[in-house]
Amino acid sequence: AQSVTQPDIHITVSEGASLELRCNYSYGATPYLFWYVQSPGQGLQLLLKYFSGDTLVQGIKGFEAEFKRSQSSFNLRKPSVHWSDAAEYFCAVGARAAGNKLTFGGGTRVLVKP
Amino acid sequence: DVKVTQSSRYLVKRTGEKVFLECVQDMDHENMFWYRQDPGLGLRLIYFSYDVKMKEKGDIPEGYSVSREKKERFSLILESASTNQTSMYLCASSPSRTSVLKGDEQFFGPGTRLTVL
Repeated sequence: AQSVTQPDIHITVSEGASLELRCNYSYGATPYLFWYVQSPGQGLQLLLKYFSGDTLVQGIKGFEAEFKRSQSSFNLRKPSVHWSDAAEYFCAVGARAAGNKLTFGGGTRVLVKP
Repeated sequence: DVKVTQSSRYLVKRTGEKVFLECVQDMDHENMFWYRQDPGLGLRLIYFSYDVKMKEKGDIPEGYSVSREKKERFSLILESASTNQTSMYLCASSPSRTSVLKGDEQFFGPGTRLTVL
């Protein structure tokens, strides 16, 4: 069965600083990977996804992520954080053998200091 | 834009009550999903459906059932609510059975925060 680990439960970052959120997955076959963001009181919004092709993926709101098969990782990055980036971030993995089901990580809550 | 709506943002029920959570999507999606979200545990899949009147168990189906009588509507039912079902419930949809071949994402509703007293 596939699994997703987000090692950092909370991260605090200063506004303007860079941000990196870690995501490690476990699955034998080629996965497809997502990052979602959940702002307070909101549902989940897709930031970006990796399905195939270029392993560096650009998303909305200035985020990018890199798929590293050798490390089973899909880390999310942003060069300069804005106060509006304070939210909870979820990594998710899917695979053909799992049908249309996604497995989510536990989430990382990002706090932004002024 | 895909829109997924959930009938209530907040719900308070008593132990033993039968609870219905409703979800509607307006983009003719075939797949619909119910998750619960708890701190530190992320989202866990309760049930999903690929078609009308079709359902499959997810990872934590115990204590829940679902109904899909129409393509756009997917209901989650708590037959006899218990305090350990206090949680945030999220509904999602994705286009079709071939979504997995295209890496389609799931689209989420705003969630229903259920409190069982």
